[in-house]
Amino acid sequence: DIQMTQSPSSLSASVGDTVTITCRASQGISNSLAWFQQKPGKAPKPLIYAASTLESGVSPNFSGSGSVTDFTLTISSLQPEDFATYYCQQYNSYPLTFGGGTKVEIK
Amino acid sequence: EVQLVESGGGLVQPGGSLRLSCAASGFTFRSYDLHWVRQAPGKGLEWVSHSSATGSTVHYAESVKGRFTVSRDNAKNSVYLQMNSLRVEDTAVYFCARTPGTGYYPQNFQHWGQGTLVTVS
Repeated sequence: DIQMTQSPSSLSASVGDTVTITCRASQGISNSLAWFQQKPGKAPKPLIYAASTLESGVSPNFSGSGSVTDFTLTISSLQPEDFATYYCQQYNSYPLTFGGGTKVEIK
Repeated sequence: EVQLVESGGGLVQPGGSLRLSCAASGFTFRSYDLHWVRQAPGKGLEWVSHSSATGSTVHYAESVKGRFTVSRDNAKNSVYLQMNSLRVEDTAVYFCARTPGTGYYPQNFQHWGQGTLVTVS
């Protein structure tokens, strides 16, 4: 199975900050990597797929990069609605696997 | 508008069974792969199962293999998750998720339902 390691597990930031979350795959997954945002009690919201393609309707403040094993989610100019938990997921091969999540909290 | 609505969750004793349903609308159901993903209370996301658009190809997480069965009825625009021999560790919110289409290779999750809570106790 492909293990997805996210870091950090949590971070504190202020409105207007730029934050970066990293995700590392235990083996190469090409660009088969997605990012999701989840708020308490809600379903995950797709943000990015194919490592860097923004889902329709998602703020351009979100961007993704990387390939093979190392990936990054960047949130520029953090907004109040961006405080949430973020997950990466590989869909290169079964079983599909998620990272452990990164909780972005208000400083 | 794409809609996925899960139902069938509830409280069940260990060793019991439950059947979850995911009713879809707003798209041509038979043209899309569907997945089940779960989230234990306070924990992260765990992929559970996949059904191809026709239902002819399925995949399972090792943790549920042999106990859970995914199926779909394209005439009823629904996918199901039959869960047998339930364990305390199966307690979670179960989401269904739709891909952008269908194909030989796995795809990203484009739409999610709101989930249904299964409690095994």
